[in-house]
Amino acid sequence: DIQMTQSPSSLSASVGDRVTITCRASQSISSFLNWYQQRPGKAPKLLIYAPSTLQSGVPSRFSGSGSGTDFTLTISSLQPEDFATYYCQQSYSTPYTFGQGTKLEIK
Amino acid sequence: QVQLVQSGAEVKKPGASVKVSCKASGYTFTSYYIHWVRQAPGQGLEWMGILNPSGGSTSYAQRFQGRVTMTRDTSTSTVYMELSSLRSEDTAVYYCARLLSDLLTGYHSFDYWGQGTLVTVSS
Repeated sequence: DIQMTQSPSSLSASVGDRVTITCRASQSISSFLNWYQQRPGKAPKLLIYAPSTLQSGVPSRFSGSGSGTDFTLTISSLQPEDFATYYCQQSYSTPYTFGQGTKLEIK
Repeated sequence: QVQLVQSGAEVKKPGASVKVSCKASGYTFTSYYIHWVRQAPGQGLEWMGILNPSGGSTSYAQRFQGRVTMTRDTSTSTVYMELSSLRSEDTAVYYCARLLSDLLTGYHSFDYWGQGTLVTVSS
C-alpha cells in the first residue's frame, strides 16, 4: 500500500495568514493526488485534484502543486471558514490511502 | 443535484453484522463508481473498497477482505455496505463517496459524499 504522510499534523494560524500543508507519498504517484477539507461533524469536501485543479466552487485562495512524491496545499489568505482538517489522498492505485490529516486551528 | 443519502445510525453488539445503505440521486447511477470510507472517532479517513454500480464488481481493502460485502440495487439506485463480525474497533462513521473520473487525464477523486452513518459496536 502507498503511505501518505502529511505535515504538520496541526497548525495554528490567524485570519489573513498564508499557510502551506505538505503531503509526501511513499512512492511516486505521478499527479494522482487530491485534497479534501473536513469540518467537524461533516463529510469531507473535495477541494483540489490532479493535484492543482480546483473543484468547482472552491475559492481561488486555495491552490495545490507537486508531482511524484511531494505535494503542497496552500491557502493564500485564511478566512474564518477555512479552519478545519485537511486530508491528502492518493488515487494512483487502490487502496486509495489518505494522509493522517492536518488540523488548522485559529491562533 | 447530485445527492448520496445514507441510512441512519446503528448500534450493534460485537460479532453482529451491519448493513449501511447509500441512495444516489441526481445523476446516472450506473455511470459512477462508489467507494466506502470510514472514520473512527477522532481519527483519519480509511478507504474500505469500491463498487461498480454497472456490473456490480467490487474490490476491497485487504484488511476488510472476508468481512465486507458491497452490493447494489439498480432499481432503487442504492449501494449497500455490509460489515460482519463486528468488533469495538469498527465503531466509526461510514461514508459512501462517488468517484469522479476525468476521461481526458484519468485522474480520480471523490466529488460527492454521503452524510455519513455512525455505527457503534458495544456490548
